[in-house]
Amino acid sequence: GEQVEQRPPHLSVREGDSAFITCTYTDPNSYYFFWYKQEPGASLQLLMKVFSSTEINEGQGFTVLLNKKDKRLSLNLTAAHPGDSAAYFCAVSGSSGSWQLIFGSGTQLTVMP
Amino acid sequence: EAAVTQSPRNKVAVTGGKVTLSCNQTNNHNNMYWYRQDTGHGLRLIHYSYGAGSTEKGDIPDGYKASRPSQENFSLILELATPSQTSVYFCASGDRDWGSYAEQFFGPGTRLTVL
Repeated sequence: GEQVEQRPPHLSVREGDSAFITCTYTDPNSYYFFWYKQEPGASLQLLMKVFSSTEINEGQGFTVLLNKKDKRLSLNLTAAHPGDSAAYFCAVSGSSGSWQLIFGSGTQLTVMP
Repeated sequence: EAAVTQSPRNKVAVTGGKVTLSCNQTNNHNNMYWYRQDTGHGLRLIHYSYGAGSTEKGDIPDGYKASRPSQENFSLILELATPSQTSVYFCASGDRDWGSYAEQFFGPGTRLTVL
């Protein structure tokens, strides 16, 4: 079945720097891709959902890149600020018919002032 | 606004005891899911359901049962709790039409400690 590998597990950046997180997946038929943010003690908050036909998606303060050829999904937080400190998870779905999400193991991001 | 609630939010159980975690959604979604979250593993799927009366095994179902008595409610049952089931459990709901893009809406989580 689908496997998702997320790197790095921990990331520390200075305020104003970029933070780059990558997930690679194995099923070439995967269709939907998600990034979630989780603050300490809280639930998962959807950052962005991406369809297989869309390569670049921009949100407020971040960009999501999808490279289907390399089966890679990336999240780039531009000009990170301390409020971005949280755990980030990628998730992949679409080929099994059950709408299951397969999650990466997460990246703990710390943005230092 | 999508709404998924879980109860209890925190639970301490004894080894060998029975634990029931409850989830309620007001989204009128067909699909519901139970995940556990452990450090280094992200979220892993335990059981899911396509609708009332349906339960399906996820990736790590051993030691867990599920019950979906209605569209709104989905329970996770640990008949004989073990310390290895100490974790944070998340419930989610989602629709299954292509227009919903497989998005899932998560509850606040239940922290379970088995002593």
